[in-house]
Amino acid sequence: IVVTQSPDSLAVSLGERATVNCKSSQSLLYSSNNKNYLAWYQQKPGQPPKLLIYWASTRESGVPDRFSGSGSGTDFTLTISSLQAEDVAVYYCQQYYSSYTFGQGTKLEIK
Amino acid sequence: EVQLVESGGALVQPGGSLTLSCAASGLSVSSNYMSWVRQAQGKGLEWVSILYSSGTTYYADSVKGRFTISRDNSKNTLFLQMNRLRTEDTAVYYCARDAGGVGYYDDWGQGTLVTVSS
Repeated sequence: IVVTQSPDSLAVSLGERATVNCKSSQSLLYSSNNKNYLAWYQQKPGQPPKLLIYWASTRESGVPDRFSGSGSGTDFTLTISSLQAEDVAVYYCQQYYSSYTFGQGTKLEIK
Repeated sequence: EVQLVESGGALVQPGGSLTLSCAASGLSVSSNYMSWVRQAQGKGLEWVSILYSSGTTYYADSVKGRFTISRDNSKNTLFLQMNRLRTEDTAVYYCARDAGGVGYYDDWGQGTLVTVSS
């Protein structure tokens, strides 16, 4: 399964909304449990990735509520509702429906 | 608090071998699904291998037959034995815990750098 993110980079003003998209080459929705096997991570320079969202829309404990995930099937979105300076990072989606693959990453900067 | 500490990264020549270690605290390596994920400089994340609590292992096609994942339960440590190394294996290698054995990773180490170069 190939997961493709868009855009590759994004510049957003502080306090504005940031949106990152992730498209899968096949559906990540498992019909038996109605769950989408997709996660989102944030990676800051020199640090390992940090889990933000799993099951496409479930926020990891401790993650600010300005981060949200949506979508189903093959199209997914990570939204940061009001960009903060500390959100500057690279964001990755990851499918775990069949083996494990990551998107190529989206670099988020301040405009 | 969970801590994963990788070690063993080094400069090695093409065709050489290296073993990475990931010492865990705050979790049991034997009771969790544990993976290695790598990241080449300035590039994205690439899943490498996983070791289930049952002992079952899986590998990415790019490393199958060359890398071996294992663990030492008494030391609570995960390993990655890497043989026949290629220049394209150059990357930071992270160990990570698969949350609940589902497929996403909720705990990561800081990584160890492997450089394959002559």
